[in-house]
Amino acid sequence: ETGVTQTPRHLVMGMTNKKSLKCEQHLGHNAMYWYKQSAKKPLELMFVYNFKEQTENNSVPSRFSPECPNSSHLFLHLHTLQPEDSALYLCASSQGQGNIQYFGAGTRLSVL
Amino acid sequence: DQQVKQNSPSLSVQEGRISILNCDYTNSMFDYFLWYKKYPAEGPTFLISISSIKDKNEDGRFTVFLNKSAKHLSLHIVPSQPGDSAVYFCAASRAQGGSEKLVFGKGMKLTVNP
Repeated sequence: ETGVTQTPRHLVMGMTNKKSLKCEQHLGHNAMYWYKQSAKKPLELMFVYNFKEQTENNSVPSRFSPECPNSSHLFLHLHTLQPEDSALYLCASSQGQGNIQYFGAGTRLSVL
Repeated sequence: DQQVKQNSPSLSVQEGRISILNCDYTNSMFDYFLWYKKYPAEGPTFLISISSIKDKNEDGRFTVFLNKSAKHLSLHIVPSQPGDSAVYFCAASRAQGGSEKLVFGKGMKLTVNP
């Protein structure tokens, strides 16, 4: 089983839908991250959780709502998204925030 | 302002030759640097890292060089193989194991031709 698992792998949603992305890590790490990768842009850090506590919100619009119920699970709740939110959303985990991060395969999101 | 820059969007090399991927950074407080490789439809995977106390780190075919005075690092792949074709990301942080996050470059697409 891979270290960081993201579901679903692909998601198409309308602007009025509500959906959630799920991330699970089996590495025993204490820090988890959400990134957004748009075409031809660097990875954009969205949220950081350390020991279930949110330590960073990188000016992300409120239509993205993270949830970290425990150190192994991370969710990204989506509602009333815009077409420009279409991107690859990556989850990562690490042991300590400045250490090597291990990424999931990502969720390819399309907002119609 | 981008703190980690990969100015070349792509590189194409012949199989067996050396691939050199470059990365520049602007924040002199960075002291830990990493390279990630990303295949299509997969997440980035960690490749190799270097701490600022070193100027070279080698792992098999992959070597990372760090020039702190120039705020420059490079990844050398020798010999290059077709399976190395991927997008490579450079990343940096201020303190390994500390509370600082990684800052990523835009990535560079490497194509290794058979």
